[in-house]
Amino acid sequence: AQSVAQPEDQVNVAEGNPLTVKCTYSVSGNPYLFWYVQYPNRGLQFLLKYITGDNLVKGSYGFEAEFNKSQTSFHLKKPSALVSDSALYFCAVRDISTGRRALTFGSGTRLQVQP
Amino acid sequence: DSGVTQTPKHLITATGQRVTLRCSPRSGDLSVYWYQQSLDQGLQFLIQYYNGEERAKGNILERFSAQQFPDLHSELNLSSLELGDSALYFCASSAAGANQPQHFGDGTRLSIL
Repeated sequence: AQSVAQPEDQVNVAEGNPLTVKCTYSVSGNPYLFWYVQYPNRGLQFLLKYITGDNLVKGSYGFEAEFNKSQTSFHLKKPSALVSDSALYFCAVRDISTGRRALTFGSGTRLQVQP
Repeated sequence: DSGVTQTPKHLITATGQRVTLRCSPRSGDLSVYWYQQSLDQGLQFLIQYYNGEERAKGNILERFSAQQFPDLHSELNLSSLELGDSALYFCASSAAGANQPQHFGDGTRLSIL
């Protein structure tokens, strides 16, 4: 079975500082990994994905994520946080060896960026 | 704007009732997924359709059913509603290919009184 863990319920960071939102995953085969962001009263918005190739993936709004196979992690990062980045962030995994298309999501991490 | 449209945005009903949630996928997307988001259980996959056929089932209750029509829109039917069914229901669509991201609508908030 596939699973995702987001160990922090909330991350607080000052505007202008770098941010990291952590994600670890468990799959039996090779993973496809995704990050989504959810703003209040909105659906999930796709940020970036790792499929194969370069371990550092760049996405929307200046976000990037680093895939680490040995640590089974896919942490989301941004060099300089903005107040407008404050939202709920979800990591998701798809185990391609199962043929299952549905995503398994982590529990979410609330990012709070202070001015 | 994701291109995925869900209606209605809000639904308030009583226990025992039946409701239908509607989803129009992005233009060209053949796959539709339904998810339930609640405070206690997070985001849970319910069911997937691809070009009108059911492809995968997740944690979907027997009281719930879905279908995808020839024009590719999908409906999620929830019956014999219970208080615990109160949640946000999301529809997502994707292009063909396992590496394609899913794009989510803004959801239907269902409140059971």
